[in-house]
Amino acid sequence: DARVTQTPRHKVTEMGQEVTMRCQPILGHNTVFWYRQTMMQGLELLAYFRNRAPLDDSGMPKDRFSAEMPDATLATLKIQPSEPRDSAVYFCASGLPPDFVRAGELFFGEGSRLTVL
Amino acid sequence: AQSVAQPEDQVNVAEGNPLTVKCTYSVSGNPYLFWYVQYPNRGLQFLLKYITGDNLVKGSYGFEAEFNKSQTSFHLKKPSALVSDSALYFCAVRDVTQGGSEKLVFGKGTKLTVNP
Repeated sequence: DARVTQTPRHKVTEMGQEVTMRCQPILGHNTVFWYRQTMMQGLELLAYFRNRAPLDDSGMPKDRFSAEMPDATLATLKIQPSEPRDSAVYFCASGLPPDFVRAGELFFGEGSRLTVL
Repeated sequence: AQSVAQPEDQVNVAEGNPLTVKCTYSVSGNPYLFWYVQYPNRGLQFLLKYITGDNLVKGSYGFEAEFNKSQTSFHLKKPSALVSDSALYFCAVRDVTQGGSEKLVFGKGTKLTVNP
């Protein structure tokens, strides 16, 4: 059963520390999205990639956040330095190319719950 | 820019009764519309989508949604609610005009509680 895999599932860190979250998209999916979920803001799109190229990172605080896809099987989201307001659940999702029947449907990972003290 | 509004933070229904979770959207072009469900401590799961064609779309677990272009709405419905339907429901929209982004914009979510 194909699924999006995210690590770590939980992370507690102190303010100022670097945090790296990883995502393995479903094989064959060519779009990858990073979303952040908080009670106050709901689901916010941070960045997305198509064929490993970044297309939109307008939702991401550029001074501390960075997102990359070093290869087709790995997407990373890095926060340096982390701050308490970054505490949230971070979701990775992947999707099929637009000519597939299920195009437009996103498959979400289980999320990485980040707590910054 | 596209946007989604879910006017109700919470919906409570009795088991066996019909349920409706409301969603309205705004896009500059043609919309693709989606419903997702999230159970506690889990990722979002796709329920159904409207792309084109019949305004009434059927999805997983007996859910359906009706696309209404004039009212820019895409309400989620189920004829008979189950306690196991209790979860957080998200409506999402994608603007598919030429050159439009593939990104989905989500609403704030509606917490559905089905009481036994």
